[in-house]
Amino acid sequence: EAGVVQSPRYKIIEKKQPVAFWCNPISGHNTLYWYLQNLGQGPELLIRYENEEAVDDSQLPKDRFSAERLKGVDSTLKIQPAELGDSAVYLCASSPRGGVADTQYFGPGTRLTVL
Amino acid sequence: AQKVTQAQTEISVVEKEDVTLDCVYETRDTTYYLFWYKQPPSGELVFLIRRNSFDEQNEISGRYSWNFQKSTSSFNFTITASQVVDSAVYFCALRTNAGKSTFGDGTTLTVKP
Repeated sequence: EAGVVQSPRYKIIEKKQPVAFWCNPISGHNTLYWYLQNLGQGPELLIRYENEEAVDDSQLPKDRFSAERLKGVDSTLKIQPAELGDSAVYLCASSPRGGVADTQYFGPGTRLTVL
Repeated sequence: AQKVTQAQTEISVVEKEDVTLDCVYETRDTTYYLFWYKQPPSGELVFLIRRNSFDEQNEISGRYSWNFQKSTSSFNFTITASQVVDSAVYFCALRTNAGKSTFGDGTTLTVKP
């Protein structure tokens, strides 16, 4: 069974440029998560989807970040415009149902460097 | 609000030594799950173990074991007879009924040959 797929793995852009990350969850997983991981820290949730619906986007900086999960399968996270402080690893995860007992399965992440 | 604290930032051991990674958590929820994940240099967090708040029975799975103590809000993880391949960053995480996961800042384990 294929795991969570993310692309690109690495991205280097200049500040004020837009950038997008793509995630394809494990087949059949209804819940999809985007996390931000700064160097030396644990992942922090940006947004959680149950199928197509964003059920928790309270930590998403909506002035510059946006996300979508059309058709309830793959998802795109966008930053526009990027700032120096956005340099981090962006992790995508999925789980079967999103319940408290659910195990999250993570992708390899996209490492973003903003110059 | 919930919080997960991993006080050990870095640990270094020699191969075949046992090593325990500490995790202390805070939550007001009565139902929650605790997890340990491993993040090797490749970057992908790999699920290791899961425990629910109503089951304090400690278990052993291969070289891994964990000690869950509700009275002290601790969920410690032990690797027995460590190997070089165990070198990674280990994260403890708390998940509550609201569906939100809170991760600690990780412990970097280095196992030297």
